[in-house]
Amino acid sequence: GAGVSQTPSNKVTEKGKYVELRCDPISGHTALYWYRQSLGQGPEFLIYFQGTGAADDSGLPNDRFFAVRPEGSVSTLKIQRTERGDSAVYLCASSLRAGGQGEGYTFGSGTRLTVV
Amino acid sequence: KNEVEQSPQNLTAQEGEFITINCSYSVGISALHWLQQHPGGGIVSLFMLSSGKKKHGRLIATINIQEKHSSLHITASHPRDSAVYICAVRSKGNKLVFGAGTILRVKS
Repeated sequence: GAGVSQTPSNKVTEKGKYVELRCDPISGHTALYWYRQSLGQGPEFLIYFQGTGAADDSGLPNDRFFAVRPEGSVSTLKIQRTERGDSAVYLCASSLRAGGQGEGYTFGSGTRLTVV
Repeated sequence: KNEVEQSPQNLTAQEGEFITINCSYSVGISALHWLQQHPGGGIVSLFMLSSGKKKHGRLIATINIQEKHSSLHITASHPRDSAVYICAVRSKGNKLVFGAGTILRVKS
């Protein structure tokens, strides 16, 4: 597509429920990144994929969070047993490839998750 | 101490003023990004720098690798420049480490 697409744009869920957030990167971009932005703060790294594999998942806060990218394109961030503290904007970005000094990022518009 | 520090946190300017936002970082980096975020909107990449200076329209970004410091300048500021400006650095492992952002409001 022309840009990075994230769906849904907004998601309200009850505490304890399971949610899935989707990211559709720019066609041909092999690197895909997930970040989380809490209110009033800068984004924080969660995980990034190079192709189908998670190259670095050190930012995932606990085992309730999981992400997949089975075909090396669309990625899904999955959150189990949601907690109110999970409320944030979840941002996805993609780049042509990871590594090197020349790779710019394109960000999606984010998914605003609210856990009530 | 955060790895990426921005100043000021908040900035209010009159239309037409020259604006400077500063970013200091404490880690080795391969690149530094300046990003713009409008309320309720996604993030737009303004610049990616690894050395020197870049200019795009009324925006200028500079970086001093030795001093671990970058600045974003806006000339002839306009109310539509009002947004959050975020500095982010790419260190090891390709992930970005973000500053907390500078909230800019330009009044007409």
